[in-house]
Amino acid sequence: GDSVTQKQGQVTLSEDDFLFINCTYSTTTYPTLLWYVQYPGQGPQLLLKVTTANNKGISRGFEATYDKGTTSFHLQKASVQESDSAVYFCALVDKGGNYKPTFGKGTSLVVHP
Amino acid sequence: GALVYQYPRRTICKSGTSMRMECQAVGFQATSVAWYRQSPQKTFELIALSTVNSAIKYEQNFTQEKFPISHPNLSFSSMTVLNAYLEDRGLYLCGARDWESQNTLYFGAGTRLSVL
Repeated sequence: GDSVTQKQGQVTLSEDDFLFINCTYSTTTYPTLLWYVQYPGQGPQLLLKVTTANNKGISRGFEATYDKGTTSFHLQKASVQESDSAVYFCALVDKGGNYKPTFGKGTSLVVHP
Repeated sequence: GALVYQYPRRTICKSGTSMRMECQAVGFQATSVAWYRQSPQKTFELIALSTVNSAIKYEQNFTQEKFPISHPNLSFSSMTVLNAYLEDRGLYLCGARDWESQNTLYFGAGTRLSVL
C-alpha cells in the first residue's frame, strides 16, 4: 500500500533560519502530493500541493518539489518566522480510483524568536 | 472559500456511553468525507471514507458497528462513537473534498473526545 515517511519528529530553529523538512513516499500509482500545516487547537490546513511529477508547489514562502526520481517531496522555506511554529504533515493521494489519503507522522516545527 | 465545521469541539462522555459528532461543509459540495482519529502523538488513523451514493469504506480495525457514519447529502456528515472506552480518546477530524479539487481534503478543527 501507499506510505509516507517523515523522518524528523521535531525541528527547532531560530527566526530567519532555513527550514528543511524531509518527506519521502512509496506508491505504485501516480499520486498527488500535499503538505498540510496544523496549528495548535486547529485542524490541518492545506499548505501546498503538486499533482504532476517534477513540478514545484509554492505557498506563503514555502516550497516543495515533487521528485519522482527520489520519491521525495521535501518542504523548504528560506527564512522561518516564529508564527511558522506548527506541525507539518506530508500527504499522498492516489489519483486513481482508490481514493485514500495517506499522511506522514508529522514534523513539529518550533521557531524561537 | 471551502470551510468545514465540526461540532462539538470538545466532549466528555462516560465509559460505555455513545457520542455523536457532526461535520458541515460550507462553500463547496463535499462529494467525499474522510473521518480520521488523531492521536496525542499527532498520528492520523483513517477510520472510514464516505462518498455520496456509494458504500462507506471502513479501514481495518474500524467497523460500522462501532463507528456508524451518516452522509445524507453534499454538505453534511456525522459519525457516532458507540460504547466509548479509554482507547477511543482522541481528536476526530473530518476531511471533505469537492468536485473541483478532487485530491484536496479540507479539514475541520476536530472534535476532541475524552472518556471518563
